[in-house]
Amino acid sequence: SYEVTQPPSVSVSPGQTASITCSGDKLGDKYTSWYQQKPGQSPVLVIYEDRERPSGIPERFSGSNSGNTATLTISGTQTMDEADYYCQAWDSSVGVFGGGTKVTVL
Amino acid sequence: EVQLLESGGGLVQRGGSLRLSCAASGFTFSSYGMSWVRQAPGKGLEWVSGISKSGDATYYVDPVKGRFTISRDESKNTVYLQMNNLRGEDTAVYYCALKNTLLGGAFDIWGQGTAVTVSS
Repeated sequence: SYEVTQPPSVSVSPGQTASITCSGDKLGDKYTSWYQQKPGQSPVLVIYEDRERPSGIPERFSGSNSGNTATLTISGTQTMDEADYYCQAWDSSVGVFGGGTKVTVL
Repeated sequence: EVQLLESGGGLVQRGGSLRLSCAASGFTFSSYGMSWVRQAPGKGLEWVSGISKSGDATYYVDPVKGRFTISRDESKNTVYLQMNNLRGEDTAVYYCALKNTLLGGAFDIWGQGTAVTVSS
């Protein structure tokens, strides 16, 4: 079955840039979505179709996807961005999530 | 307001059954495929099952094949997950999510989740 892999954790200082990778075989041929989840809350979509932001998502969130790697970038990271982030793709109508990356802002 | 509201979770013994429901409102239910996603305590998200907007196609992750059944009732704007022969590893919060094909298949609407605990 298809798998995508994320680093377990990323640390970033306030105001700096955080990059979270998501790796999978020929992932660049699929659309990747990214979700933010804070403790005790449901996930929230922050990026769809590799690089598009839903309305209400700040411009500091951006995405890219090429080859075997999709990347979520948070520019000018704020303390409110501390959360778990998950990438997600589709493999023949079966959903696949990465294991999640905990972003710590310190 | 677009909303998904799950119900039906609870405590069940190993080998038992539960049926989860997800009531949709605020959008044209028949226009969207739906999925169930679960999250075990302290773990990440796992896609469990999906159903097409017409209900004629269903999909499952391997560990639940043959035990879980997803269905939808257009008259009630509700999607269901029938879970049989439950195992300890099925313990999780189960989320209902709207699959938006206009957004490349992203889940742009999520419910609040319903907790399932399987005891031995």
